Amino acid sequence: DAGITQSPRYKITETGRQVTLMCHQTWSHSYMFWYRQDLGHGLRLIYYSAAADITDKGEVPDGYVVSRSKTENFPLTLESATRSQTSVYFCASSESGYYNEQFFGPGTRLTVL
Amino acid sequence: QKEVEQDPGPLSVPEGAIVSLNCTYSNSAFQYFMWYRQYSRKGPELLMYTYSSGNKEDGRFTAQVDKSSKYISLFIRDSQPSDSATYLCAMSVGQTGANNLFFGTGTRLTVIP
Repeated sequence: DAGITQSPRYKITETGRQVTLMCHQTWSHSYMFWYRQDLGHGLRLIYYSAAADITDKGEVPDGYVVSRSKTENFPLTLESATRSQTSVYFCASSESGYYNEQFFGPGTRLTVL
Repeated sequence: QKEVEQDPGPLSVPEGAIVSLNCTYSNSAFQYFMWYRQYSRKGPELLMYTYSSGNKEDGRFTAQVDKSSKYISLFIRDSQPSDSATYLCAMSVGQTGANNLFFGTGTRLTVIP
């Protein structure tokens, strides 16, 4: 299927465990983004990538690690999950990095017990 | 003080009503203004994108920006049950630069048939 997909869609884990959220896009867009969405905060940028092997921090990067070895994939890893990382995570992609060209994935709902 | 303030609602209107959704902001340097629609359990999708002040119309949707008051609005005419969703405003200083897109918390809208 063309577009942007995220897996898993739902995940429950325990405090201290490592978790990896996957994001895959079929458009070969250069830019990819990870956001988290929390009640009372709206969407906040965690990390973004302008191309393969190029990543940079966003507004709330602490506790997260990203990599981008292939253009189409942008995994987000929580190295040691905490309850405060319970959230809905959205991946997005954009060809040029322009905000009006940003397409979002369906989201991953993560619960950390 | 948050960069962007948005009334979370919820807002319920009868089918056919005119809906007004609003955001205020504090940073006078914001130049690019966006409205996203987010259906339940889905990712946000871009609805309207405007630059600087003025109005922009697209079908039943009109986006207004008043930079002097630091206030933006989205109007939905002849509202339909399919418009039931959460509407997010977002704004930025630059057109790109992934680190400076600020979202409101979203307003949940229900259109009653």
